[in-house]
Amino acid sequence: QKEVEQDPGPLSVPEGAIVSLNCTYSNSAFQYFMWYRQYSRKGPELLMYTYSSGNKEDGRFTAQVDKSSKYISLFIRDSQPSDSATYLCAMSTGNQFYFGTGTSLTVIP
Amino acid sequence: NAGVMQNPRHLVRRRGQEARLRCSPMKGHSHVYWYRQLPEEGLKFMVYLQKENIIDESGMPKERFSAEFPKEGPSILRIQQVVRGDSAAYFCASSPYDRVMNTEAFFGQGTRLTVV
Repeated sequence: QKEVEQDPGPLSVPEGAIVSLNCTYSNSAFQYFMWYRQYSRKGPELLMYTYSSGNKEDGRFTAQVDKSSKYISLFIRDSQPSDSATYLCAMSTGNQFYFGTGTSLTVIP
Repeated sequence: NAGVMQNPRHLVRRRGQEARLRCSPMKGHSHVYWYRQLPEEGLKFMVYLQKENIIDESGMPKERFSAEFPKEGPSILRIQQVVRGDSAAYFCASSPYDRVMNTEAFFGQGTRLTVV
């Protein structure tokens, strides 16, 4: 079983839609949860970071962590074509990072 | 302040040759991480270095792979006697903090290694 599971998609939505991206994990020791955005042929860019359970909001992005269900989500409101990218979830115990495989998102104008 | 710089961006090697991948961290960052990305497999941790020290190399293959981060100059990921299975994108990330509080790791653009 992989440490982190993420549906690779691809996911295609119309501009303005709400996007929901999710990851599940198996290691209850994970404490730090992150979302990265990666454009084609570029390096990952940190979008959101959450420690332990709870929600965090930053502009159009909201990250949620449910440790009881071992489930994390990233919501994108009012999606834009510029949001088209691969979104990677990442988790850490504090000693090592584990990444999901990434979900490919396309926002259609 | 330039971001994390990796070079070369693309590297082609024949089987059996050596590949050297370079990573210059952001100014003021003394923590460097190397990751390998294969299609549909996500980013895999390889090694974590501080200046002149390897802190964690638990993700590195036992043979042919080595990494260093000298006092002066870039971090180097070295792959000896490359095989086709080494073809991947290799990313470097740097951080000013140690790994326990590492929430601000910045990634480079990656080096795409192709072994022919």
